[in-house]
Amino acid sequence: DTGVSQDPRHKITKRGQNVTFRCDPISEHNRLYWYRQTLGQGPEFLTYFQNEAQLEKSRLLSDRFSAERPKGSFSTLEIQRTEQGDSAMYLCASSLEAGVGYTFGSGTRLTVV
Amino acid sequence: ILNVEQSPQSLHVQEGDSTNFTCSFPSSNFYALHWYRWETAKSPEALFVMTLNGDEKKKGRISATLNTKEGYSYLYIKGSQPEDSATYLCAFRGNKLVFGAGTILRVKS
Repeated sequence: DTGVSQDPRHKITKRGQNVTFRCDPISEHNRLYWYRQTLGQGPEFLTYFQNEAQLEKSRLLSDRFSAERPKGSFSTLEIQRTEQGDSAMYLCASSLEAGVGYTFGSGTRLTVV
Repeated sequence: ILNVEQSPQSLHVQEGDSTNFTCSFPSSNFYALHWYRWETAKSPEALFVMTLNGDEKKKGRISATLNTKEGYSYLYIKGSQPEDSATYLCAFRGNKLVFGAGTILRVKS
């Protein structure tokens, strides 16, 4: 297992289009997290899964955002009707249990033009 | 709203200098304090997870201390090297990780 993989690395999309990102966590990790990072800020929590259950979702996540982890393995984050304000680095992380450090992917950088 | 503050925002040092950063966090409902190093074009990398008041952890030239009663943690780098240049993030763990904005370190050779 080579760590957490995210795809794509970069995405440029026109405003109003839908985009979907994928995260493949470390296989034995049951917890998966999505964060968003914009310039000059630290990563902001978006949502988290334990196995296939989405246990928490930030108020930052509008109705245009949806995340799934259908079989408790990989996860997808979809943004519908993208807006320029959605431009950010979207980071995925996984962990085996609550008290340990997270393993992050390299992120997907989204640019909405 | 949880507030995790990091200072300074950025730091430029010469190779060989020792340096330290501060992370301030709420002192209530504390579970853990995480430190990460994030190099450009790479993934954030976990450095330390600290849980007990008075904890001190060390990894090579990097060490960290924790004071949960007053709500702060220090990260120290001894004899900075150019490869230490990165953004250093701390994160407070309540029921989820809440990150500070980071300290950007640049080490000049």
